[in-house]
Amino acid sequence: KQEVTQIPAALSVPEGENLVLNCSFTDSAIYNLQWFRQDPGKGLTSLLLIQSSQREQTSGRLNASLDKSSGRSTLYIAASQPGDSATYLCAVVPGSYNTDKLIFGTGTRLQVFP
Amino acid sequence: DAGVIQSPRHEVTEMGQEVTLRCKPISGHNSLFWYRQTMMRGLELLIYFNNNVPIDDSGMPEDRFSAKMPNASFSTLKIQPSEPRDSAVYFCASSFSGQPQHFGDGTRLSIL
Repeated sequence: KQEVTQIPAALSVPEGENLVLNCSFTDSAIYNLQWFRQDPGKGLTSLLLIQSSQREQTSGRLNASLDKSSGRSTLYIAASQPGDSATYLCAVVPGSYNTDKLIFGTGTRLQVFP
Repeated sequence: DAGVIQSPRHEVTEMGQEVTLRCKPISGHNSLFWYRQTMMRGLELLIYFNNNVPIDDSGMPEDRFSAKMPNASFSTLKIQPSEPRDSAVYFCASSFSGQPQHFGDGTRLSIL
């Protein structure tokens, strides 16, 4: 059974720092991996989607990498800002074909203070 | 462009009552998902539909839960009878053919 874990559970950093959020999954057979952001009282917003054949994806100050064989992904946030404060979740679609069935990690709660 | 719309945003009711949560997906999306989020279990997929047909309901906790999608623009999740352990935030999401899912803002459900 696929399980997704995120470390750390919470992170507090000063503005301007570069930071790394970690995601690990127990079964390397995944179709894709996605990173989401969740603001308090809101739904999830998709940030980056990495297909199983890809190594990384970039969007602005965000960079996500995928090492499928070791069951790991990292989300790198450059020059963090207070507006980046949110909970970040990673999720995988297990298996070798697309089922759209996401399995989520428990999230990392990030606070960036001025 | 309207996103996924869920109603109500908050629901407080007594145990034993029927609860109906509603979702309007983004126009043109052909997949719809219902999730439940709790502190203990995180975000869990309950059921999802493709082209209005239920594809996987293995996440539905028990027979008290049911979901319908009578047309491409509307879905309901019903709990009958409700229990305190059903208290959670319920999210609806929609997507088009393998693209990233778009989430609504959720319904915060409290069963007393």
